[in-house]
Amino acid sequence: AQSVTQLGSHVSVSEGALVLLRCNYSSSVPPYLFWYVQYPNQGLQLLLKYTSAATLVKGINGFEAEFKKSETSFHLTKPSAHMSDAAEYFCAVSEDDKIIFGKGTRLHILP
Amino acid sequence: DARVTQTPRHKVTEMGQEVTMRCQPILGHNTVFWYRQTMMQGLELLAYFRNRAPLDDSGMPKDRFSAEMPDATLATLKIQPSEPRDSAVYFCASGLDGGPGEQYFGPGTRLTVT
Repeated sequence: AQSVTQLGSHVSVSEGALVLLRCNYSSSVPPYLFWYVQYPNQGLQLLLKYTSAATLVKGINGFEAEFKKSETSFHLTKPSAHMSDAAEYFCAVSEDDKIIFGKGTRLHILP
Repeated sequence: DARVTQTPRHKVTEMGQEVTMRCQPILGHNTVFWYRQTMMQGLELLAYFRNRAPLDDSGMPKDRFSAEMPDATLATLKIQPSEPRDSAVYFCASGLDGGPGEQYFGPGTRLTVT
């Protein structure tokens, strides 16, 4: 069975600083990978997806993620954090029709 | 702008009452998922359908929960009887089988059982 591990349930960064949210997957074959974001009192929204077309994937709101097979990682980054980025972020991997979600990382932005 | 819609957005009910939550998937999507989100358990998959057929409901408490798709534009999740431990946010998501399999989430139904 597929799984993803998100390192850190809470991450705090200063406004304008680099955002780095870590995700490692377990899969014996190249998977489809996703990052979702959940703003307060809303559903999950797709940020970006990896489908093996390119290892560096660009998403919405300035986020990107890099697929590294050697490290089984799919970390999410943004060069400069904005207050509006405060939310919970979920890494996920596809398995048949389903998506297996990580536990989530809550991102706090410090003024 | 195609979206998944869910009704009601909020529901407060007393223990023992029946609760029905409704979801309208994005037109053309053939997979529908029901999730439950709580602080303690996070996001849990309750059930999912492909082409209106239930494929997996192993995440649901069978004695009180039921999920159906009367037609391609409506999915329902029922709890009977409801219990305080059912208090959570329930999300519906839809997608297309094959390919990457990304899912599109509705805004959720926040259920409070007193």
